[in-house]
Amino acid sequence: KAGVTQTPRYLIKTRGQQVTLSCSPISGHRSVSWYQQTPGQGLQFLFEYFSETQRNKGNFPGRFSGRQFSNSRSEMNVSTLELGDSALYLCASSLTGGGRGTEAFFGQGTRLTVV
Amino acid sequence: GEDVEQSLFLSVREGDSSVINCTYTDSSSTYLYWYKQEPGAGLQLLTYIFSNMDMKQDQRLTVLLNKKDKHLSLRIADTQTGDSAIYFCAPAGNMLTFGGGTRLMVKP
Repeated sequence: KAGVTQTPRYLIKTRGQQVTLSCSPISGHRSVSWYQQTPGQGLQFLFEYFSETQRNKGNFPGRFSGRQFSNSRSEMNVSTLELGDSALYLCASSLTGGGRGTEAFFGQGTRLTVV
Repeated sequence: GEDVEQSLFLSVREGDSSVINCTYTDSSSTYLYWYKQEPGAGLQLLTYIFSNMDMKQDQRLTVLLNKKDKHLSLRIADTQTGDSAIYFCAPAGNMLTFGGGTRLMVKP
């Protein structure tokens, strides 16, 4: 059974640009959540998608957006990049949502560096 | 929102027990998870405890939950060098909320 796949693994962008990250969940999983991990702030929840609908949203500015496709693959977009957006972005997939007693499986993350 | 606090760092000798502590604020958390992150990797679920339990044991891992004090701990018996990693506690209501993580260093 394939795990959670995030692409690309590494990315370097310039301030002001926009970026799209991709996450393919485990087959059959309908929930995809996104997290930002930085040394100073730890792991912070961005949003969760379930069956193509955003179900929960964290406290991030509108520059951060996402979507989920009918095959459960999810993309995350960050517009007008700032230096502070440099982080490891992690995606987690689960059957029903990680907070509901079903295991959330994490991808290896996309390391975004904004210069 | 939920606040989850963990100490930043723990150092133990190989063979000793490690205890990683976590405090949280949301008493409605139904499941409380422990995740492990090794360098360059995503998070791996270690174990979890349901909120109506006080203790759960899983091989070398023991989870203790004090719901009244909103305190969760993870004990690793006979700690090995391969246990060196960052450990996150994650209480879950509607979604997972992570603590800042505790970096465990195991000295040979």
